[in-house]
Amino acid sequence: DVKVTQSSRYLVKRTGEKVFLECVQDMDHENMFWYRQDPGLGLRLIYFSYDVKMKEKGDIPEGYSVSREKKERFSLILESASTNQTSMYLCASSPTLFRGAKNIQYFGAGTRLSVL
Amino acid sequence: AQKITQTQPGMFVQEKEAVTLDCTYDTSDPSYGLFWYKQPSSGEMIFLIYQGSYDQQNATEGRYSLNFQKARKSANLVISASQLGDSAMYFCAMREGVGNEKLTFGTGTRLTIIP
Repeated sequence: DVKVTQSSRYLVKRTGEKVFLECVQDMDHENMFWYRQDPGLGLRLIYFSYDVKMKEKGDIPEGYSVSREKKERFSLILESASTNQTSMYLCASSPTLFRGAKNIQYFGAGTRLSVL
Repeated sequence: AQKITQTQPGMFVQEKEAVTLDCTYDTSDPSYGLFWYKQPSSGEMIFLIYQGSYDQQNATEGRYSLNFQKARKSANLVISASQLGDSAMYFCAMREGVGNEKLTFGTGTRLTIIP
């Protein structure tokens, strides 16, 4: 069965702290994604990675960085957390299939981060 | 312009009735894919159904079907015989172009099934 695991369901951090959100997938997928979900805005892509040590900015990368040292793990880093980064963070992974194919992204359960 | 538009922030439907969730999209690329995901209160996004731009027939998966109207750029999700467990947020998403792995999501529709 497909499994994407996010290390924490809930996190509370202080403004200015460095925050690490971890995501692990067990499906040997090439692609991994970090999204942010806010009410009325849907899901917005922060960063994605298509291979180990490879990353690409999404739509809202400001204030975030990522790390992918191993294929199964993709970390989202808030270098200095701010209150406007309080949100739900979702990790996803997908395989690289032949071009044009149905390519499903599989999601973790999400991390609800509060920055005080 | 919004790539994916979901105009219904919330819907209430009686149990066992069919429900249609609207989704319109905007792209100039001839190759694209459309996805629907369900997000229960637990938070995890669950894939429901997929429609490719070149698919000749509307996609169906059990009680879910996709009413794909290419000329109108709409991809509405139809849930037949709704159940209490269908209460959730529903998101429409699009992948544009060949070799692009990224999805663009709509703002979602919160569906509540009334017993």
